[in-house]
Amino acid sequence: GENVEQHPSTLSVQEGDSAVIKCTYSDSASNYFPWYKQELGKRPQLIIDIRSNVGEKKDQRIAVTLNKTAKHFSLHITETQPEDSAVYFCAASYGDYKLSFGAGTTVTVRA
Amino acid sequence: NAGVTQTPKFQVLKTGQSMTLQCAQDMNHNSMYWYRQDPGMGLRLIYYSASEGTTDKGEVPNGYNVSRLNKREFSLRLESAAPSQTSVYFCASSQTDEAFFGQGTRLTVV
Repeated sequence: GENVEQHPSTLSVQEGDSAVIKCTYSDSASNYFPWYKQELGKRPQLIIDIRSNVGEKKDQRIAVTLNKTAKHFSLHITETQPEDSAVYFCAASYGDYKLSFGAGTTVTVRA
Repeated sequence: NAGVTQTPKFQVLKTGQSMTLQCAQDMNHNSMYWYRQDPGMGLRLIYYSASEGTTDKGEVPNGYNVSRLNKREFSLRLESAAPSQTSVYFCASSQTDEAFFGQGTRLTVV
């Protein structure tokens, strides 16, 4: 199967600063890399995703980059706001749309 | 449009008891999944069903069974609950890549 590692496990940033979360994966056949946001007590929800034929994707204040050679991908959040505080999970798809998740990063945005 | 609906939302079981977690989706998705979420471990795949009539093991299938009752419904059964199965369980469905999650079931085994 796939093994996804995610760093850091916690991240505290000042409002307005940027946040970066990094993930690595082990299976070179993985071809889909989503990022999920989970607020306290809620379900995970997709915020952005990237496929293996693309190196970078941006959606307003969030962006994801993928380096297939190095087998790592990153989430970038710019101009952070209090509502960005949540747990973020990276994942890699390893066939039949099964997802292997990282352990999660708890992001706290300080006002 | 309800998306993915799980029942129950909370459950307390005694060790050795059995129960079934129910999941239904109304998005006509082919694939459905059961994940468990434990602190510091992300979400781990228990079982999945790529299409109606098929089921396969994921990363952590021991102690669980599943049934894909029809295209809409995918249930997870604990035959003899153990404290190690205390967790939050999420059902999900997908048609291609994006997985849509249910609201979760918080299960405590005492």
